Amino acid sequence: GQSLEQPSEVTAVEGAIVQINCTYQTSGFYGLSWYQQHDGGAPTFLSYNALDGLEETGRFSSFLSRSDSYGYLLLQELQMKDSASYFCAVRAPGGFKTIFGAGTRLFVKA
Amino acid sequence: DTEVTQTPKHLVMGMTNKKSLKCEQHMGHRAMYWYKQKAKKPPELMFVYSYEKLSINESVPSRFSPECPNSSLLNLHLHALQPEDSALYLCASSQANLASAGTEAFFGQGTRLTVV
Repeated sequence: GQSLEQPSEVTAVEGAIVQINCTYQTSGFYGLSWYQQHDGGAPTFLSYNALDGLEETGRFSSFLSRSDSYGYLLLQELQMKDSASYFCAVRAPGGFKTIFGAGTRLFVKA
Repeated sequence: DTEVTQTPKHLVMGMTNKKSLKCEQHMGHRAMYWYKQKAKKPPELMFVYSYEKLSINESVPSRFSPECPNSSLLNLHLHALQPEDSALYLCASSQANLASAGTEAFFGQGTRLTVV
């Protein structure tokens, strides 16, 4: 089966850098995705890593180490609007089933 | 157009009612999904349609009945629901090419369902 673990909550101050970690156990691996969801809103795709290394998209970066079954989402120059839940997700092999982690609630303080 | 549109946004229904949730996308995506999300929990997959055929049913009770009338539309028919079925129901779509497994999924804003 597939399972993902990520911290339940992270708090940081505006302008800081925060890292949200995700470890996974999967029977097959097709890459790690990250989604952001504001309260009352829809999940929004942020990034995807299929290979080891860092992917950068503006203030957000995502990292993957397949040998360690580990990835993280890095948010730089935090803004109040970054306060949201962040989910890591993997695709189950051979199909369309996406497994989400439990989510990390990020609180950005002034 | 990169939107997934869901209607209605809010729905209150009794346990004997029959209602339908609707989802529409015009991105040419051939995979469409229904998820259920409870407060402070991740989305849970319910159904997946690939090329208008049901490819995944995550052991969802029969009081939930999906339908994919064409490549742009996805419905979820509701009948005899229970109060514990109250949740946010999210529709999503993505490309159906399994070779690109991390293909971005686009989510609608959801229907907040309350069963009374």
